[in-house]
Order: sequence, then structure tokens, then C-alpha cells
Amino acid sequence: DSGVTQTPKHLITATGQRVTLRCSPRSGDLSVYWYQQSLDQGLQFLIQYYNGEERAKGNILERFSAQQFPDLHSELNLSSLELGDSALYFCASSSRDRYGYTFGSGTRLTVV
Amino acid sequence: KNQVEQSPQSLIILEGKNCTLQCNYTVSPFSNLRWYKQDTGRGPVSLTIMTFSENTKSNGRYTATLDADTKQSSLHITASQLSDSASYICVVGRRGNKLVFGAGTILRVKS
Repeated sequence: DSGVTQTPKHLITATGQRVTLRCSPRSGDLSVYWYQQSLDQGLQFLIQYYNGEERAKGNILERFSAQQFPDLHSELNLSSLELGDSALYFCASSSRDRYGYTFGSGTRLTVV
Repeated sequence: KNQVEQSPQSLIILEGKNCTLQCNYTVSPFSNLRWYKQDTGRGPVSLTIMTFSENTKSNGRYTATLDADTKQSSLHITASQLSDSASYICVVGRRGNKLVFGAGTILRVKS
């Protein structure tokens, strides 16, 4: 157990729908990062939050949004889903110590 | 442009053999270089992390090297096991904890 918890582990939904993925960071970590990994692709950075505020944005679609709550958990919202959004979505958290970067086990999203 | 390139793209070796994976990067300002192991469908797990001043770091049968002058790193796996079958990802950290990911090398160890 890495200490970063992601739910749900698996999600199957239809095109056009909206889903929410949840991430609880390691205890004490203030930063949360979201990544997308499509089949046989590398990890693509989506967005970072630090202590409730958006810190950095990567290749995140306008249909996607995220937020980090006061208890530091984060949610990634994916709307108007398309078949191409099927992927593994990973959350990672880090502390001020730059070595403390830990991934969760991911949410596998399948859009049918 | 900040990039991390890994080679080979994939590799098949026999159980018990050694192998070396390569990583070249053009990332600045450089902060650290990490190697991750990612089992299929799982999250990446950190193997080693090296800063500018470190040129080698070991974690069991995994040994990473870093040449900051040539901007190259390697991950050497000794006496491979079936459980080593995974994707190995080289990640270079920029200042501010921004990470640049390589595409990974898929290693398959067969008996």
C-alpha cells in the first residue's frame, strides 16, 4: 500500500456520461497530481493541486476538471465522455521533500 | 524542449540474465532522476532517485547510474526474475517538483 488511495478501482460508463474519480493523498502530503495513461502509452500529466489551489496544468481537456478539498483529497471530474477517454487515471501525491512522490494504484476507466 | 528518451522500447531476456536499460534526457533545470517500475495495470513504484551529485544508486538487484554531463542514465537489473517483467520508466525532475516522463521500456523475463 503506497498510502495514496484511489477510488473506484474500475469504472465502466457510456459515452456522453460524467464520472468523478477520487484520490486521497498520503498523510501529510499537500500536493496532488493527476495523470492519464492510455493503452500502451506513457503517463500524461493532467493537473496539479497544492493545498487546495491549482498549481500546474498539463494536457488536460476542457471537458475535464479537478479540485482539491480542505481535507486535501482531490477529485477529477470527466464529462461528456468519449471512447478515447478510456484509460488508467493515476493520482500521485508529494510532500515538500522532493523525494516524496508516490503514485496510487489507479482507476481504470472504460467508456463504451 | 524538455524530453526524456528511453531505449530499447521493449526487451525480452531469459530468467537469470542481466540487462541494462537506457535513458537520455534534455531537461533543465535538472533536479533529480528517478526510475520507476510499473506492473501492468498498477501504479508506478519508485526504484531509485538520484540528484545531480550522485552517479550511482542501488536498490537490491537494481542499480541506476547517472552521468549528468552527458545527460544519460542507465538501470541495470542483475539476475533477472520473472517478477521483473514490467515497464520501467525514467523520470527527470525539474526544479519545483515538475516531472518529465519517458515512454518506458517494457521488459519481459521468460523462463
